Parts: sequence; structure tokens; C-alpha cells
Amino acid sequence: NAGVTQTPKFQVLKTGQSMTLQCAQDMNHEYMSWYRQDPGMGLRLIHYSVGAGITDQGEVPNGYNVSRSTTEDFPLRLLSAAPSQTSVYFCASSQGTSGYTDTQYFGPGTRLTVL
Amino acid sequence: AQSVAQPEDQVNVAEGNPLTVKCTYSVSGNPYLFWYVQYPNRGLQFLLKYITGDNLVKGSYGFEAEFNKSQTSFHLKKPSALVSDSALYFCAVRDGGTYKYIFGTGTRLKVLA
Repeated sequence: NAGVTQTPKFQVLKTGQSMTLQCAQDMNHEYMSWYRQDPGMGLRLIHYSVGAGITDQGEVPNGYNVSRSTTEDFPLRLLSAAPSQTSVYFCASSQGTSGYTDTQYFGPGTRLTVL
Repeated sequence: AQSVAQPEDQVNVAEGNPLTVKCTYSVSGNPYLFWYVQYPNRGLQFLLKYITGDNLVKGSYGFEAEFNKSQTSFHLKKPSALVSDSALYFCAVRDGGTYKYIFGTGTRLKVLA
């Protein structure tokens, strides 16, 4: 198993550009999520999905879109990049959402800089 | 609303000494509590979690955590620290009635040789 993979590893954007951060998992996990990590702020939940076709907002969803057309993939779209979106982005997945299946496995992260 | 507090930005401990990394939480329902560790330029790795049952939870690499309902705390402990334990540690909570996880701001552990 490759686990949770993220592409790209690094990205530089100009203000106003759009892009998609890719996330895939090969563990047949139901739950997938996106976080951003900023110094002094910890990890903050952007969006999450409890299964294909089902997504919901987390703590900081503004400026980001997600979709979940397959179990494996959960892309994060930045609609119009802003310097405030400069961050490290992590994707995570868990088998399910019960207390016994909700351990999250994290990808290696994408470091995004918006100029 | 859910919240997690990690009151210490950094904890320094000598190798071989016991270590404690503190975490307090607030949820309206039953808490699911987690500890994750992050090494430089890596994603987070799961250490341990509390769902229900015994208040002392044992996890990976010799770490354990004690759930204290009255103090709403879930402190991470290890009896004897190693230099290789130096990393960033995150506490997280999920209210059992939601699918949203709240992470603390992280505590940097530095184990000195």
C-alpha cells in the first residue's frame, strides 16, 4: 500500500491563480479530510468527506472547494489564490468514523506559497 | 463548541528523564482524544487514542496518555525520554457526535543528550 499520497510536494502561485491539490489513498478508507498547518495555529480542518459524493465544511473552508467522486480521490481546489493561503496542506484518511476506525493516516503534505 | 489547548509551546527534558506533554479539551459530548507526532518535513503519525474504558492508554514507541474526565485533560507521558523523541506533538479531539477533528497548536519536545 502506498497509503495517502499528495501531489505536488511544492507549489508557487501568483495571487488570483487557481490550482488543485491532489490527494489519493489506496486503503479503501471512507473518511478523508484536508487540513492546513500554519505556525502557531496547529492544524485546521478545511473540508472533509465521509464517503463518495458526501462532503462538508470544516473550520476554515472559505476559498477552497472539494469533491469526492471516487472513494480513492479527494482533490482540494483553490479558486483564486491569496497570500493568506500560503501554508502547508495535509490530506488524511481513516477507515471509518466510529471510535474504533477513526485513526487518521496523513499524507506527506504540500507546501504552497502564494505571491 | 470543541476546543483543545496545549499550554506549552516547547518542553525540554533530559534524556532518560520522564516527560509530560499537556493537553486539555472541551467538548459537549463524549470525547475521542488523540495524540499525533510530526517529525521535520513529514506528515503526522498516530501515537495513541482514547475512546472509552481504561483511563491509561498505551501507544506507540513507549508513549502513554492519561484521560482525566474531571480535569478534562489527556496528558502524554513517557517514563524515559530518548533524543529521538524530539519532535512536534499534537493533541486532537473529536466530539463523538461529529465528524470534525480539532487539533491543538502543538508542543515542540526537545530531548537533550
